[in-house]
Amino acid sequence: EAGVAQSPRYKIIEKRQSVAFWCNPISGHATLYWYQQILGQGPKLLIQFQNNGVVDDSQLPKDRFSAERLKGVDSTLKIQPAKLEDSAVYLCASTAAGLAAETQYFGPGTRLLVL
Amino acid sequence: AQSVTQLGSHVSVSEGALVLLRCNYSSSVPPYLFWYVQYPNQGLQLLLKYTSAATLVKGINGFEAEFKKSETSFHLTKPSAHMSDAAEYFCAVAYNQGGKLIFGQGTELSVKP
Repeated sequence: EAGVAQSPRYKIIEKRQSVAFWCNPISGHATLYWYQQILGQGPKLLIQFQNNGVVDDSQLPKDRFSAERLKGVDSTLKIQPAKLEDSAVYLCASTAAGLAAETQYFGPGTRLLVL
Repeated sequence: AQSVTQLGSHVSVSEGALVLLRCNYSSSVPPYLFWYVQYPNQGLQLLLKYTSAATLVKGINGFEAEFKKSETSFHLTKPSAHMSDAAEYFCAVAYNQGGKLIFGQGTELSVKP
């Protein structure tokens, strides 16, 4: 069974530019999560989708970050404009139903460096 | 606010020695508890999880953890460290509302030959 796919793996941009990340979850998984992992810290949830609806985006900086999952399968996370403090690894994870006891399966992440 | 504390950002052990990584959570409601491992430039991989069944949980690669409600702890142990255990380890909790994971800050494990 294929795992969670993410692209690109690495991205370097200058501040105030825009960037987009893509995630394809495990087939059949209804719930998709985007986490931000700043160097030296644990991942922090940015947004959670259940199918194509948003369950939790309370920690998403909505003035610059946006995310969508239009067909309830793959998802895109966008940053516009980027700031230096957005340098981080962006991890995508998925579960079958979004239950707290479920194992979340993580992709390899996209490493973003903002100069 | 719900939080997870991992004591020690860096732990170093000799090969063959006991590994002990500490995790405490702050919540009056027992959460679901997870340990994930992250190798360089990779995503997170589940080691083990506690979901209110047996308090002693066995995971992959010889790791285990014990849930102690009275101490609000879920420490990770392995009797004998191997060089391949060198990685970053994250403790995380989840609650029934939504299922998002709340992570500790991580502990980097180094294994000396």
